[in-house]
Amino acid sequence: IAGITQAPTSQILAAGRRMTLRCTQDMRHNAMYWYRQDLGLGLRLIHYSNTAGTTGKGEVPDGYSVSRANTDDFPLTLASAVPSQTSVYFCASSVRTGNTGELFFGEGSRLTVL
Amino acid sequence: GENVEQHPSTLSVQEGDSAVIKCTYSDSASNYFPWYKQELGKGPQLIIDIRSNVGEKKDQRIAVTLNKTAKHFSLHITETQPEDSAVYFCAALGDGGNQFYFGTGTSLTVIP
Repeated sequence: IAGITQAPTSQILAAGRRMTLRCTQDMRHNAMYWYRQDLGLGLRLIHYSNTAGTTGKGEVPDGYSVSRANTDDFPLTLASAVPSQTSVYFCASSVRTGNTGELFFGEGSRLTVL
Repeated sequence: GENVEQHPSTLSVQEGDSAVIKCTYSDSASNYFPWYKQELGKGPQLIIDIRSNVGEKKDQRIAVTLNKTAKHFSLHITETQPEDSAVYFCAALGDGGNQFYFGTGTSLTVIP
């Protein structure tokens, strides 16, 4: 069972370029999330989706967009990357949002913006 | 929104000793508090969680306590082993149940 698959594993990107981080889950979970992890700041939510066709903003949504065309895929797009978006990005899923338990995380995508 | 603070940021213990990590939260409406363990190069994994209707939960060498009045919760690891070395994150479910707010992480090193 793959769980959550993220791609690419790592990427170096020039500032101003567009980048899409891919996330696919095979658990048929309703909810999906994108977090960024920065040293000393922990994990911060960028965007989430409660179910296919809906998305919502997290703590740090500026500069990022997401779409949820189907249950399995939840890509994160940086329209015009800036150096402050250098981070490790984690996609996660859960059966549904709310007080219902576990987040399942992917292995992360390390992005460096120069 | 919710604000979760976690201490300490780093912790070193001798193998066999206990480790305690503490978190506080700000939103009294938060009612679910998970703990995640992140090993090097991996995504975080849930190790234990507690809901607001209980004060303590135990799973083998790991326990979590919750004080709703003081708005703090703690992770206790007893008889630590080298494989417990990792970064640990606490979290609180806020924003009406739509998102988790994570602490800043504790890097635990267990010295053999």
